[in-house]
Amino acid sequence: KNQVEQSPQSLIILEGKNCTLQCNYTVSPFSNLRWYKQDTGRGPVSLTIMTFSENTKSNGRYTATLDADTKQSSLHITASQLSDSASYICVVNVPGAGSYQLTFGKGTKLSVIP
Amino acid sequence: NAGVMQNPRHLVRRRGQEARLRCSPMKGHSHVYWYRQLPEEGLKFMVYLQKENIIDESGMPKERFSAEFPKEGPSILRIQQVVRGDSAAYFCASSPRDRLDNEQFFGPGTRLTVL
Repeated sequence: KNQVEQSPQSLIILEGKNCTLQCNYTVSPFSNLRWYKQDTGRGPVSLTIMTFSENTKSNGRYTATLDADTKQSSLHITASQLSDSASYICVVNVPGAGSYQLTFGKGTKLSVIP
Repeated sequence: NAGVMQNPRHLVRRRGQEARLRCSPMKGHSHVYWYRQLPEEGLKFMVYLQKENIIDESGMPKERFSAEFPKEGPSILRIQQVVRGDSAAYFCASSPRDRLDNEQFFGPGTRLTVL
């Protein structure tokens, strides 16, 4: 079973609408949780990074939340734009030896249509 | 300020051939990580290198795969005698050091297709 599960697998929304993507993780403990955006044919680009003691982090129209008790995170995108069409990946970083090893979810593929 | 560079972007090989993937980290970064992304899967860690040293290769298959990061030049991921199952996107990332709060910056990836 994957240690980082994301839902939905894919999502289609109209331009200008808001959406929320979910991430459940079983990795414990963890040092930080990151959300990446991956455009088709490109490498992942970091959107937010939160430590276990933070419960929200914003980056422009992107707001990530974290509930360490329930091991859930969400990424909220407001006023979506066509350029938001991409895969959004939840990534968990485990502390200690091998802390550089990132555990990736499979991503949510978001399509924003006009 | 160039980001992480990878080449080639696309590579086609026949079964049994060798594939060489190159990665130039961001300027000032001495830590390189290689990841593999199979179709419909998340990225999986393969190997972590510093200049002239392999720090952790626990995610890399024991046979046919090797990686290096020489004192001069790019990091190389080498796959010998490729098989169809090696078809994937291979991403390289770099960081200035391996502390938890240091971002790993990803390259655009090399898409390997094995015929």
